[in-house]
Amino acid sequence: TQLLEQSPQFLSIQEGENLTVYCNSSSVFSSLQWYRQEPGEGPVLLVTVVTGGEVKKLKRLTFQFGDARKDSSLHITAAQPGDTGLYLCAGTGNQFYFGTGTSLTVIP
Amino acid sequence: DTGVSQDPRHKITKRGQNVTFRCDPISEHNRLYWYRQTLGQGPEFLTYFQNEAQLEKSRLLSDRFSAERPKGSFSTLEIQRTEQGDSAMYLCASSTALQGAYGYTFGSGTRLTVV
Repeated sequence: TQLLEQSPQFLSIQEGENLTVYCNSSSVFSSLQWYRQEPGEGPVLLVTVVTGGEVKKLKRLTFQFGDARKDSSLHITAAQPGDTGLYLCAGTGNQFYFGTGTSLTVIP
Repeated sequence: DTGVSQDPRHKITKRGQNVTFRCDPISEHNRLYWYRQTLGQGPEFLTYFQNEAQLEKSRLLSDRFSAERPKGSFSTLEIQRTEQGDSAMYLCASSTALQGAYGYTFGSGTRLTVV
């Protein structure tokens, strides 16, 4: 059972555009992580957010944890082809749950 | 340390055969996790170990699946009498008990194709 729903499921944009990926749940998580996965490889941890309302920036990526710790967003500014990949959110509750994933393609 | 290593990277097997995958975690990590991922989907939890103890198993882990971590270091995942529905990427991850709440380090996975 997937407790974390991501939207959109697929996203194809031109280089230089901005985008936002959402991760939503009805459950409260003690922490939430974002990963990026390239084809044929395992997910790579990008960031962990812990406090409700927390905002973290990683170069052109901005991550926000919802005030109620049930949702999160990932915003990418001026997307580049190297950002292409599957973006996964994951939450820590009683177990460790992954979201449904957002497949991003950035077209040069 | 070279991170989490998984072997083999790819496995093609005939339906009904048994297969075994190996995972070598980061050496100081006492927690080891197995996940299964189908194309375009998020990973699904299978099981995890703290040291040599298997602490949790998902209902996805049928009787044909068994995982071991005999010395608290490397782990093996065996699938008996493989079925076409077992075709997936099998991912291993590790963490310390403290880090576990903050994210895992994943291996590159073993892609299984059952024909």
